Amino acid sequence: SQKIEQNSEALNIQEGKTATLTCNYTNYSPAYLQWYRQDPGRGPVFLLLIRENEKEKRKERLKVTFDTTLKQSLFHITASQPADSATYLCALGKGDDKIIFGKGTRLHILP
Amino acid sequence: GAVVSQHPSRVICKSGTSVKIECRSLDFQATTMFWYRQFPKQSLMLMATSNEGSKATYEQGVEKDKFLINHASLTLSTLTVTSAHPEDSSFYICSAARDRRSNYGYTFGSGTRLTVV
Repeated sequence: SQKIEQNSEALNIQEGKTATLTCNYTNYSPAYLQWYRQDPGRGPVFLLLIRENEKEKRKERLKVTFDTTLKQSLFHITASQPADSATYLCALGKGDDKIIFGKGTRLHILP
Repeated sequence: GAVVSQHPSRVICKSGTSVKIECRSLDFQATTMFWYRQFPKQSLMLMATSNEGSKATYEQGVEKDKFLINHASLTLSTLTVTSAHPEDSSFYICSAARDRRSNYGYTFGSGTRLTVV
């Protein structure tokens, strides 16, 4: 069955540095991959979508890469700030609207 | 931007009672909505896909008679947890896609924390 793994359950990064989160998947060929931010007790908020034919996508301080050969996506937050502290979820989807989520990585930006 | 309103945000009910959760798309029409549940420090698990005007599609292992889904209009889907038990206590979240062909992801409601006592 398909499996999504996000590199670590929790990640501590010093303020100002670049945070890099990893999403690996197996037994799946997604048409696109999404990244979401989730704060405690809240629903996820969409950040970025990258399609299978795209290598990289940027939005302000965020950058996502997608390597379908390695079956991996990297999510970068540059010039990280304490306000970036949250859980970040990757999600994979095909054309049928259904998406599956990884467990998420809790990111802590240390002041 | 797309907004999905979910209500209530928090509910406590007694074992054996039923609870209804509403999910509304406020500024767009959603022919399809999704219902998830999430346990602490766990991933969002898809429970069912709610289709406007037709029956919901449930994921394997989800009891359709226990989790009743009604998608009566293009902007409203409801999830009713029937005969709730303490093990049904969880965080329930709905979502909808504004446009599957766009670069916008899914818009999620703010979630409902259900506690069954």
